[in-house]
Amino acid sequence: DADVTQTPRNRITKTGKRIMLECSQTKGHDRMYWYRQDPGLGLRLIYYSFDVKDINKGEISDGYSVSRQAQAKFSLSLESAIPNQTALYFCATSDPKDPTGIYGYTFGSGTRLTVV
Amino acid sequence: GEDVEQSLFLSVREGDSSVINCTYTDSSSTYLYWYKQEPGAGLQLLTYIFSNMDMKQDQRLTVLLNKKDKHLSLRIADTQTGDSAIYFCAESISHSSYKLIFGSGTRLLVRP
Repeated sequence: DADVTQTPRNRITKTGKRIMLECSQTKGHDRMYWYRQDPGLGLRLIYYSFDVKDINKGEISDGYSVSRQAQAKFSLSLESAIPNQTALYFCATSDPKDPTGIYGYTFGSGTRLTVV
Repeated sequence: GEDVEQSLFLSVREGDSSVINCTYTDSSSTYLYWYKQEPGAGLQLLTYIFSNMDMKQDQRLTVLLNKKDKHLSLRIADTQTGDSAIYFCAESISHSSYKLIFGSGTRLLVRP
């Protein structure tokens, strides 16, 4: 099983619909992140959570919300989807107690979302 | 501010060396990273370098860090078709709780 699992892998939804993207991890990491990837724009941070009680906005949080249900689960919601939210969405985790000090991220395989 | 920049595209012939460049603005970076994204997949950590190092070599990969110019490069020797992917540069900044700042990614195309 993958360390970081995202569901669904692909989703097509209509404008105005509410949609939830889910992320679960078996790494035991406290920190979780949601990124959006658009061609030529790289990865942009939507929301991040350093523990279950800590949720923070990233650089592009408008139109999105998140829920950290448990250490292992971090969900991203689009309350009313619009076409310019069509993108590839990634969840990632990291460990602030990483003994190597490398603090690298572990990524899920992504969710490709299309809003029509 | 924090910004990481990369060129968008690089094309090389199989067997040649590839050099992917990255510039960053925050001098308080602790680690700098290269991630690889293959088609249809997430990002995987390829290699990293600590900010007090100038060079790191790992098999076909060589990372060079010029702290004065805030320039990071990734050299892939004997580039293979399997190296075709998007490569992201990222920096980890201590005053941002070690969140990673990513560049826009460089798409490497290896021609047979």
